[in-house]
Order: sequence, then C-alpha cells, then structure tokens
Amino acid sequence: DSGVTQTPKHLITATGQRVTLRCSPRSGDLSVYWYQQSLDQGLQFLIQYYNGEERAKGNILERFSAQQFPDLHSELNLSSLELGDSALYFCASSVSYRAGNTIYFGEGSWLTVV
Amino acid sequence: TQLLEQSPQFLSIQEGENLTVYCNSSSVFSSLQWYRQEPGEGPVLLVTVVTGGEVKKLKRLTFQFGDARKDSSLHITAAQPGDTGLYLCAGARTNAGKSTFGDGTTLTVKP
Repeated sequence: DSGVTQTPKHLITATGQRVTLRCSPRSGDLSVYWYQQSLDQGLQFLIQYYNGEERAKGNILERFSAQQFPDLHSELNLSSLELGDSALYFCASSVSYRAGNTIYFGEGSWLTVV
Repeated sequence: TQLLEQSPQFLSIQEGENLTVYCNSSSVFSSLQWYRQEPGEGPVLLVTVVTGGEVKKLKRLTFQFGDARKDSSLHITAAQPGDTGLYLCAGARTNAGKSTFGDGTTLTVKP
C-alpha cells in the first residue's frame, strides 16, 4: 500500500460525458501528479501540483483539467469524453517537487469510455 | 520522439536466467529512476541514481547509470517468477524538473 488513495477504481461512461477522478496523497506529501497509461502511449505525464499550485504541465488535453485543494487532495476532471480517453489514470505524490524524490503511485482509476 | 527508449520491449525467460534491460537517451539526466509495475497496480520505485557511473544493488537487481548520465541498465541475476512485471525508467533533466517515463520493458519469468 503506497498510501495514495484513488477513487473510483473502475468507471465506465459514454462518449461526451464528464467524469471526476479523485486522489488523496500520502500523508505529508505536498506534490501530486496525474498520469495516463494506455497500451499504445505508455505512461504519460499530465500535470503536477505542489501545495495547491500548478507546478508542471505535460500532455494534458484542453478537455481535461485538474486542481489541488487546500487539504492537498486532488481531482482530475475529464470532459467531452472520447473513446480514446479510455485508459488507466494514476495519481502519484511526493514530498516535494524536486526530481529524484520518491514518487508514490496509487492503484489507478480504470476509465472505459463506450 | 520518445525521450527515453527502453529495450527490449518484451522479454520472456526461464526462471534462473540472467537478463539486462536498457534505458537510453540522447539527453543528459540529473537523476534517473527505475520502477516496477505489476498488473492492476501502480508503479513502485526500485532505485534512484544520480551520479554518472553509479552502480546500485538491490538484492539480485543491479542498476547502473551511464558515465555521461544519458543511459542506464538494470541487470537481474537468477530471475524468479516474482520478478515478472513492467520495468519503467524515468529521467529528470533538471533537479526541479518533472520526470519523463520510458515505455517500459515487460518481463515474464516462467517457472
């Protein structure tokens, strides 16, 4: 158990819909990351927050948005869903934003868009 | 263009064999990490290397960071079925930068 909690674990939704994925980081970790993992794209970095502020942005679509709340939990919002958005979405956390820090991954949220 | 190239993409071996997987790039990294991911779970950090030429050992796993800090290798001695999983390398180009992941090597160790 990494200490990072993600909900829901599985989600099936239709194209055009909107979903919210939630993440609670490890106790004491200030940095939260979101990654997308699919068979053909590997593990893709989406976005990083540190202590409530956006720290780095990766290959995140405009249809996707995220935020980190004052209690440090984070949400990833996916809207106007397309079939290609079906993937495993990971949240991860670390103590700081510095590279080389241990990043702890949650178990992921499986999203299936039908 | 993938910043980190991992090879081989797939590897299937018998229990007891040795193996090496590679993580290569044309870029210099300030740090590089190796993770293992099992089906249905998130990646778990195995090691972080930061110094060119650095070698770290974790039981039967030996990690090496290239002298120029552009590549890394993971060697497993006497592989066991429990070593089965997806091995990912991740590199950061600056101390404050985000890490970029390679596509991984899927290892299957048959009993």
